[in-house]
Amino acid sequence: DIVMTQSPLSLPVTPGEPASISCRASQSLLHDNGNHYLDWFLQKPGQSPQVLIYLGSNRASGVPDRFSGSGSGTDFTLKISRVEAEDVGVYYCMQALQAPLTFGGGTKVEIK
Amino acid sequence: QVHLQQSGPGLVKPSQTLSLTCAISGDSVSDNSAAWNWFRQSPSRGLEWLGRTYYRSNWFNDYALSVNSRITINPDTSKNQFSLQLNSVTPEDTAVYYCARIGSPKGDSWGQGTLVIVSS
Repeated sequence: DIVMTQSPLSLPVTPGEPASISCRASQSLLHDNGNHYLDWFLQKPGQSPQVLIYLGSNRASGVPDRFSGSGSGTDFTLKISRVEAEDVGVYYCMQALQAPLTFGGGTKVEIK
Repeated sequence: QVHLQQSGPGLVKPSQTLSLTCAISGDSVSDNSAAWNWFRQSPSRGLEWLGRTYYRSNWFNDYALSVNSRITINPDTSKNQFSLQLNSVTPEDTAVYYCARIGSPKGDSWGQGTLVIVSS
């Protein structure tokens, strides 16, 4: 199984400031088709996961442009250029290159 | 834009079969670039992938080892949906279940979630 290591576990943020979350896979997530099968999503309490980034760097429809995804191979980063109060919740990375799909442990983002 | 609508009972008796359906709008279950997945989430187990079905000139399935002997995921092309069946459930199968489209170049999306309680 591909192991996903996400950091930090907790991220206190100040509104208006940038934030960054890292995700490392135990093997490359690059598919033969040239895509990296890595998603970032946000889960707020009582809600279903909301996809922010898919295939490594593609922003999902309706997601504000303050969210961006980057990386390649085994190392990926989610960046929020200017955090807003509504961005609180638990962020997960997930690999979809091969079954079983596996997740990072989550990063809880909260306002300082 | 794809929309996934889940349906199915929220209460299942122990030893019986959990059955959920995920209706797809805005895409086709036969799309050859995506996979149609089931996940679940509980306080004790966290987020857990259960399995997927996908079409690549033929239909394929992958299942998690933890449920491999009890799970079936089937596409229904006539209704453009896919289903989850989990047999011989126990209280440990109590969780919120999600369907999701994953791996599509058009973007990934999750259903609204269904809380399933296993109890007599």
